[in-house]
Amino acid sequence: SYELTQPPSVSVAPGQTATITCGGKNIGTRNVHWYQQKPGQAPVLVIYGDTKRPSGIPERFSGSNSGNTATLTISRAQAGDEADYYCQVWDSSSVLFGGGTKLTVL
Amino acid sequence: EVQLVQSGAEVKKPGESLKISCKGSGYSFSNYWIGWVRQMPGKGLEWMGIIYPGDSDTRYSPSFQGQVTISTDNSISTAYLQWSSLKASDTAMYYCARKSDATSSLSYNYGMDVWGQGTPVTVSS
Repeated sequence: SYELTQPPSVSVAPGQTATITCGGKNIGTRNVHWYQQKPGQAPVLVIYGDTKRPSGIPERFSGSNSGNTATLTISRAQAGDEADYYCQVWDSSSVLFGGGTKLTVL
Repeated sequence: EVQLVQSGAEVKKPGESLKISCKGSGYSFSNYWIGWVRQMPGKGLEWMGIIYPGDSDTRYSPSFQGQVTISTDNSISTAYLQWSSLKASDTAMYYCARKSDATSSLSYNYGMDVWGQGTPVTVSS
């Protein structure tokens, strides 16, 4: 079965760029979606279709996808970006989530 | 405003049945797929299944097939997730979420753009 691999944690200094990866076999051939989940809150879609931002999501959030790795990039990281981030793909009419990455801004 | 509002917290005993709800508003409920996601305490997101209210087409994750039932009542724009016999391992937060494109085909180009606030379920003797 298809699997998505994310690093458990990523740290970034305020104002710097955070990069969160999502690995999967030939993931570049799939559409990848990303969610942000802050403690005690429901997930929020921040990137869909590899690179697209829903309305209301800051331009600081961007995505890319090629080969075996999809990437979520957060530019000019802020304290408010601290959250868990999950990648997601569709597989055989079902959703697969990555294990999640905890982003710490320090 | 497009929103999904879920029913409140539940505390149940093992073996009991349960049905939780997710009411959509601000959009045409029948035209968007609604999915359910489990999040166990301190853990990641797990996909349970999805339903298209327009024709009740339902797809379950293999991990949850036969364990839960997903349904809708379009007359009140509400989706449901139900268990016939709860286990302690069903203790979790449950979220409903809307797939962002209005189409009966399950395209893979879109994610889940609107989420409910979550329903915490505790199963304990």
